[in-house]
Formats: sequence, structure tokens, C-alpha cells
Amino acid sequence: QKEVEQNSGPLSVPEGAIASLNCTYSDRGSQSFFWYRQYSGKSPELIMSIYSNGDKEDGRFTAQLNKASQYVSLLIRDSQPSDSATYLCAVRENRDDKIIFGKGTRLHILP
Amino acid sequence: NAGVTQTPKFRILKIGQSMTLQCTQDMNHNYMYWYRQDPGMGLKLIYYSVGAGITDKGEVPNGYNVSRSTTEDFPLRLELAAPSQTSVYFCAITETSTDTQYFGPGTRLTVL
Repeated sequence: QKEVEQNSGPLSVPEGAIASLNCTYSDRGSQSFFWYRQYSGKSPELIMSIYSNGDKEDGRFTAQLNKASQYVSLLIRDSQPSDSATYLCAVRENRDDKIIFGKGTRLHILP
Repeated sequence: NAGVTQTPKFRILKIGQSMTLQCTQDMNHNYMYWYRQDPGMGLKLIYYSVGAGITDKGEVPNGYNVSRSTTEDFPLRLELAAPSQTSVYFCAITETSTDTQYFGPGTRLTVL
């Protein structure tokens, strides 16, 4: 059973600080990694995808991937109240097209 | 929701009833998915399809059936509703050129 693990939180971060969200996965052969944001009562939306070891930056967001440690993280710089949401880590299995999601981490940005 | 529509938005079923959740996309994408999301939980894959006429089971297929007779439509069928199927159901497509998965607005189903 392939698994994607996240701390459910809530993670409380002061406005303007860096929020750090972490995710581990069990399938060593996984090749594609995603971070989704989901506001309460809404559908998930993709904010970052990463495929290679290292960092990928997009505005205030940085995704970090370490395949050897089977670890992927998301950093949010200059956190804003509008960043308060649940962040879902997702991993695509190597063998087929299934995407496995973690349970999500609730992030609360304190004004 | 990038051209993915779901109907109905809300539904209450009695135990043992059946229903079909509709999902339609207007972007001609091959990959379509059905997920369920229980309160405070992540998404669990029920079924997926890589093209018309092709479907495959996900993590939690029991109690559900799907069909994919056209590229546009990917209905999810519940034959004998059970309280354990109370959840929010999301349909999604993958835009392969950008490797982006887009989700529909969801159907909130309650089985009493």
C-alpha cells in the first residue's frame, strides 16, 4: 500500500513569517510530486509540482524534493492570512497514472 | 474549475438507494479521476480512466462503478448506498501538456 504522510496540524504561523510544510512518501520509485491548496468547502488547486531533486521556486512558494530521503516540502515565504488553508501533498506512482494524496496539513496564518 | 462540471452539488440518499454522480469536461482530456474526501481527510482515489472505454480501480473502489463511453463524460455509480459513502466526491482531469490536475466543484453526498 503506497502511502503519503503529512502532519495534519494545525500549523500556526505569524503573518510575514515562513511556513514550512512537510511530506514523506513510501514508494521509492515515485517520479512526480505535487502540492495542492484547498480552502474550506472548495476543491483543491495545484500550486506547485516538482520532479527533480533540489528546490523549485515560484513567487513566495518553494518546493523542495529529496528522493533519497523520500521527502518533499513546501515553504511559503512572507505568509499572508490568505494562505490559511489545507495543503495537500500528492505523489504520482511510477508504474501508472494514479496520484496518491496525503491527508493534508491545515495551515493557519496569524494576523 | 477549468471546464470540469459535476452534478448534483448536494444530495441526500437513504440507505440502499442508488444514484449516479455526473462529471463532464469540455477540454478533450483523456485522463479523468473520481476521488472522495471525508471530513478532515485527504483525497482517496476511487476509479480513474486514461481514455474512452478504459477504466481502472483506485484505492477505494468497493461500492462504486464507473463507465467511460465518451471522452467528455465519466459518471460514478453508487448501487446500494451506505452511510460509509457519506463524503464529498470530486471529479478531476489531468491536462497532460502541463501535468496539472484540475478538479470539479464537488458533490456533497449524505447517506442516512
